[in-house]
Amino acid sequence: GAGVSQTPSNKVTEKGKYVELRCDPISGHTALYWYRQSLGQGPEFLIYFQGTGAADDSGLPNDRFFAVRPEGSVSTLKIQRTERGDSAVYLCASSLNPFTGNNEQFFGPGTRLTVL
Amino acid sequence: DAKTTQPNSMESNEEEPVHLPCNHSTISGTDYIHWYRQLPSQGPEYVIHGLTSNVNNRMASLAIAEDRKSSTLILHRATLRDAAVYYCILETGTASKLTFGTGTRLQVTL
Repeated sequence: GAGVSQTPSNKVTEKGKYVELRCDPISGHTALYWYRQSLGQGPEFLIYFQGTGAADDSGLPNDRFFAVRPEGSVSTLKIQRTERGDSAVYLCASSLNPFTGNNEQFFGPGTRLTVL
Repeated sequence: DAKTTQPNSMESNEEEPVHLPCNHSTISGTDYIHWYRQLPSQGPEYVIHGLTSNVNNRMASLAIAEDRKSSTLILHRATLRDAAVYYCILETGTASKLTFGTGTRLQVTL
């Protein structure tokens, strides 16, 4: 079956611009997560949705970052006034049952964001 | 979040077993031990998880120490396709988010 998909796969933008990154989770998965990964580091948690609501946004670095999931499926990560330090791979994951330790997360291939 | 400690890198010969260690001395009673791996240019991939008992699946085995302060991921016969960064992660079951460290980079050679 279809896995988690992310678009675009690569995004190059200029400092100060606005970008949107899209995630299509696995159908039926109620939980959706955003992570970002800098070169040589492990993924870093950004935000977690349960259904339409953000259950945990403690990882968002500042108010330039915002994410939505209006219908409980597709999610969009929005970054305003991009900075060079925002350059990273942005990963999306989904899971079926986040309320137990059997929380297998399925990751997409990521969007590589480069801010010039 | 309870932390895990893993070696930065390990090497293995193809067709040989690989034992990837993880220390988690501050693990709490409700923490599950998860292992994910990340192949080059891909998102992380679930490998296996457990709570107290050893676990086996088609990809690997997970051996958990009796005091749960350490665990070992066992790849029974390493192949070149197993070359990846392996992450050992503790998850409370209520926090839901995964806290990745820097993992162990496994190199597999012919």
